[in-house]
Amino acid sequence: AQTVTQSQPEMSVQEAETVTLSCTYDTSENNYYLFWYKQPPSRQMILVIRQEAYKQQNATENRFSVNFQKAAKSFSLKISDSQLGDTAMYFCAFIISNAGGTSYGKLTFGQGTILTVHP
Amino acid sequence: GAGVSQSPRYKVAKRGQDVALRCDPISGHVSLFWYQQALGQGPEFLTYFQNEAQLDKSGLPSDRFFAERPEGSVSTLKIQRTQQEDSAVYLCASSKQGREQYFGPGTRLTVT
Repeated sequence: AQTVTQSQPEMSVQEAETVTLSCTYDTSENNYYLFWYKQPPSRQMILVIRQEAYKQQNATENRFSVNFQKAAKSFSLKISDSQLGDTAMYFCAFIISNAGGTSYGKLTFGQGTILTVHP
Repeated sequence: GAGVSQSPRYKVAKRGQDVALRCDPISGHVSLFWYQQALGQGPEFLTYFQNEAQLDKSGLPSDRFFAERPEGSVSTLKIQRTQQEDSAVYLCASSKQGREQYFGPGTRLTVT
């Protein structure tokens, strides 16, 4: 079974500063994808960033980047130059893929981290 | 293009009533997923369709929960004889096979 653990229930950061959200996961699979999703108070879940497990290079998407440590099964999200609009609940999630890179089946989510950006 | 849409956005049901929640996926997305999200928690998988075939329903919590996608596009999640513990946000997501899942806004179900 796959599990995803987010050990920080809440985090806060000042506007323009950098914050890192932690995530660890457990799986016996070798091929998978990892995601960070953002869920603002309006509740629409938005994909922030994706990492393929077979890629050693860490994914980046504008102000968002990840630190993927496959051996340690760790997948943290760094938000640089935090903005008020980044205030949301952030979920780390995991999906199995096949050797060809096709993902299928369900996403397994962590418990979430509430991030508050203060002006 | 349009994203995933869900209706209704809010539903209040008396205990024992049946409810039906609708999901319209992104056009061309063959995979459709239903998740249940309790307040302050991460979404939990309920069921998964590929086109009209229900490939995994292992997350449905009881036989009161039923999902269908008869023509491979719109899906309906039905809950019979609702109970208070069914109160949650029900999220629908769709994906092209092998790509990211895109979520709808959810239906908040409150059972009184």
